[in-house]
Amino acid sequence: NAGVTQTPKFQVLKTGQSMTLQCAQDMNHNSMYWYRQDPGMGLRLIYYSASEGTTDKGEVPNGYNVSRLNKREFSLRLESAAPSQTSVYFCASRLIFSGNTIYFGEGSWLTVV
Amino acid sequence: AQKITQTQPGMFVQEKEAVTLDCTYDTSDQSYGLFWYKQPSSGEMIFLIYQGSYDEQNATEGRYSLNFQKARKSANLVISASQLGDSAMYFCAMREMDSNYQLIWGAGTKLIIKP
Repeated sequence: NAGVTQTPKFQVLKTGQSMTLQCAQDMNHNSMYWYRQDPGMGLRLIYYSASEGTTDKGEVPNGYNVSRLNKREFSLRLESAAPSQTSVYFCASRLIFSGNTIYFGEGSWLTVV
Repeated sequence: AQKITQTQPGMFVQEKEAVTLDCTYDTSDQSYGLFWYKQPSSGEMIFLIYQGSYDEQNATEGRYSLNFQKARKSANLVISASQLGDSAMYFCAMREMDSNYQLIWGAGTKLIIKP
């Protein structure tokens, strides 16, 4: 009963370092999403992938890249981390035309110092 | 302009009382959906309830109900008989037509249930 799995759960980076957040879902979902959540704010969409092989920018894509490696996996990369990217990152997935539920991972806490 | 507004940053409620969490939204679309999610301190986001703009009845899921007032553009979450485990952040979100499921989120309300 894994659902959406994100790794790592916690990470501390130095400014300028790069890292990749991994996300995998085992529900055969078409669409996958990366959000960031900052204190006192709702989730903001970084990138999404409507289906395997496609990716699109969301509300706050600057400083990030994504890869939809296959139907299961959707990774988020920070090429040169900045303190402004300190946030909690959520991956989510959804099966199109199957209802309105979007499933979230447990979140990845990223601190850039 | 804010598309989703949750005016209550935090609330304290006595256990077993009912609680209403406010959410107002702004859209010019005729077709849209409204969601409520719960985020416990552990961080995961848990889907609670959904209301479609064309649904005539208010949505209900167990102890959760959505008080949908379309003309006022409000979609308040009502939790009946609150429990200590209801303490969490609650987020209201909206999906507009043809948005490819890009949910627009409110800032959340922190609910604390007192024993």
